[in-house]
Amino acid sequence: KQEVTQIPAALSVPEGENLVLNCSFTDSAIYNLQWFRQDPGKGLTSLLLIQSSQREQTSGRLNASLDKSSGRSTLYIAASQPGDSATYLCAVDSNYQLIWGAGTKLIIKP
Amino acid sequence: GAGVSQSPRYKVAKRGQDVALRCDPISGHVSLFWYQQALGQGPEFLTYFQNEAQLDKSGLPSDRFFAERPEGSVSTLKIQRTQQEDSAVYLCASSLTTTNEKLFFGSGTQLSVL
Repeated sequence: KQEVTQIPAALSVPEGENLVLNCSFTDSAIYNLQWFRQDPGKGLTSLLLIQSSQREQTSGRLNASLDKSSGRSTLYIAASQPGDSATYLCAVDSNYQLIWGAGTKLIIKP
Repeated sequence: GAGVSQSPRYKVAKRGQDVALRCDPISGHVSLFWYQQALGQGPEFLTYFQNEAQLDKSGLPSDRFFAERPEGSVSTLKIQRTQQEDSAVYLCASSLTTTNEKLFFGSGTQLSVL
């Protein structure tokens, strides 16, 4: 059974720092891995999608990598801003269902 | 509408009551998903529709949960005889394609069962 883990559960950093969020999964047979952002009281917003055949995807200050063999993905955020404060969740598409991690709550201090 | 709309935004129910949660997906979106998100956890899959067909309901926790999408657009998630463990945020997502890619989420319905 696919399990997704995100570490750390919470992270607080000063504005301007670069940071890395981690996601690990137990079964490497995935179709894709997705990173989402969730703001309090709101739904989820898709950030990046990495197909199983890809190694990384970039969007603006965000870069996500995927290493299927080790069951790991990272989300790199460059030059963090207070507006980046949110909970970041990763999800793996496994057998046409998304299996989610519990998220990392990120606080960027001005 | 421009996005996925869910109503009500908040629902308080007494244990044993029936509730109905509504999802209006983006017009033309083929796929519709329901998820349950407990506090501090990631969403958990409940059910999936492709147009009006419910192709996967393996995530529904019990036979008290029922979902429908009769005309392939609006969907309703119904929970009968609510229990305290049903308290969670119920999220709806839609996609233009038949896959999990490019999902658009609603803001969710926060259900509290007292």
